Amino acid sequence: KAGVTQTPRYLIKTRGQQVTLSCSPISGHRSVSWYQQTPGQGLQFLFEYFSETQRNKGNFPGRFSGRQFSNSRSEMNVSTLELGDSALYLCASSLLTENSPLHFGNGTRLTVT
Amino acid sequence: GESVGLHLPTLSVQEGDNSIINCAYSNSASDYFIWYKQESGKGPQFIIDIRSNMDKRQGQRVTVLLNKTVKHLSLQIAATQPGDSAVYFCAEVNSGYSTLTFGKGTMLLVSP
Repeated sequence: KAGVTQTPRYLIKTRGQQVTLSCSPISGHRSVSWYQQTPGQGLQFLFEYFSETQRNKGNFPGRFSGRQFSNSRSEMNVSTLELGDSALYLCASSLLTENSPLHFGNGTRLTVT
Repeated sequence: GESVGLHLPTLSVQEGDNSIINCAYSNSASDYFIWYKQESGKGPQFIIDIRSNMDKRQGQRVTVLLNKTVKHLSLQIAATQPGDSAVYFCAEVNSGYSTLTFGKGTMLLVSP
């Protein structure tokens, strides 16, 4: 079974631009969550989607948004990029059952210059 | 909000030693915890999990211990190998099994 797939692996953008990242969950996993990883803040929860609905949201500004499609694939968007948005963005998928851990992709490395 | 934290940022061991990585959590209502390993350039990889109705769980070369009284988790790695070098995170799973609260991570360095 294929794992969580994230594209692209690397992105370089300039301040003020916007970016869209993509995540394909493990087959059968309907919950997709996103995390930002930086050296200073560690791994922080952005938001979680299930059945095309955002159910949980972390403490990030409205420039960070996402969506989920009917096939459970998800995208996240960051608008008006700032230098501090440079980070590794990780996607995880889950079966949402007891004793079912979340599985991560290898992330998208975003650099804002 | 409540968070999960780690005591040691870096742990250096010799190959063959046993390693112990510690983690404190603050939400006494949490009932499911996961340890992840993250290698350079990769996403976190599941190692082992434990529910709050257990105090110990063993995997291949790894053991997780849970002390609910003091809200403490530890990951023990037996006969540590150079391939175990990575950053290790403990994570607290929310009640819906859909989101994680991570600790800051401990870097494990294994010397041959």
